[in-house]
Amino acid sequence: DAGVTQSPTHLIKTRGQQVTLRCSPISGHKSVSWYQQVLGQGPQFIFQYYEKEERGRGNFPDRFSARQFPNYSSELNVNALLLGDSALYLCASSSVQSSYEQYFGPGTRLTVT
Amino acid sequence: QKEVEQNSGPLSVPEGAIASLNCTYSDRGSQSFFWYRQYSGKSPELIMFIYSNGDKEDGRFTAQLNKASQYVSLLIRDSQPSDSATYLCAVGDSNYQLIWGAGTKLIIKP
Repeated sequence: DAGVTQSPTHLIKTRGQQVTLRCSPISGHKSVSWYQQVLGQGPQFIFQYYEKEERGRGNFPDRFSARQFPNYSSELNVNALLLGDSALYLCASSSVQSSYEQYFGPGTRLTVT
Repeated sequence: QKEVEQNSGPLSVPEGAIASLNCTYSDRGSQSFFWYRQYSGKSPELIMFIYSNGDKEDGRFTAQLNKASQYVSLLIRDSQPSDSATYLCAVGDSNYQLIWGAGTKLIIKP
């Protein structure tokens, strides 16, 4: 079984630009969560989607947005990039039966210059 | 503010010994607890979860939960150099989300 997939693996952007990150969950999983992780810290929660509806939002500015598609894949968009947005962006999927058991994709390393 | 606290380490343990990792949490209503392992530059990998007070064993790993004292621990028996990683503790809140600690860096010395 394929695990969670994310694309791209690495990305370099310039301040002020916009970026879209993509995630496909484990087959059968209907919930997707997005996290930001900077070096030396635990993941910081950004969004959670379940059945295409936003189920939770972390303490991130409105520059961050996300959506989930009918096939349960998801996109995270970040507008007006700042240097501080440089981080590892993680996507995790979970099943209906075990919402808290989250399985991560390999992540997207975003560098903003 | 719900918090999960971990000692950042590094925790250095000789090969073959038991590594003990600890985590405390602030939300007394939490019901689900997770340990993730994260190698440098990689994403977190779920290695253990526990929902009930007491011990849960899986191979060389044992998770221990004490809800009264609000702590959860992870024991790694017969530690191997490949166990060297950062171990993240996560606690489920009432909104289907995980609250994360900052992680403990574990170093297994050959």
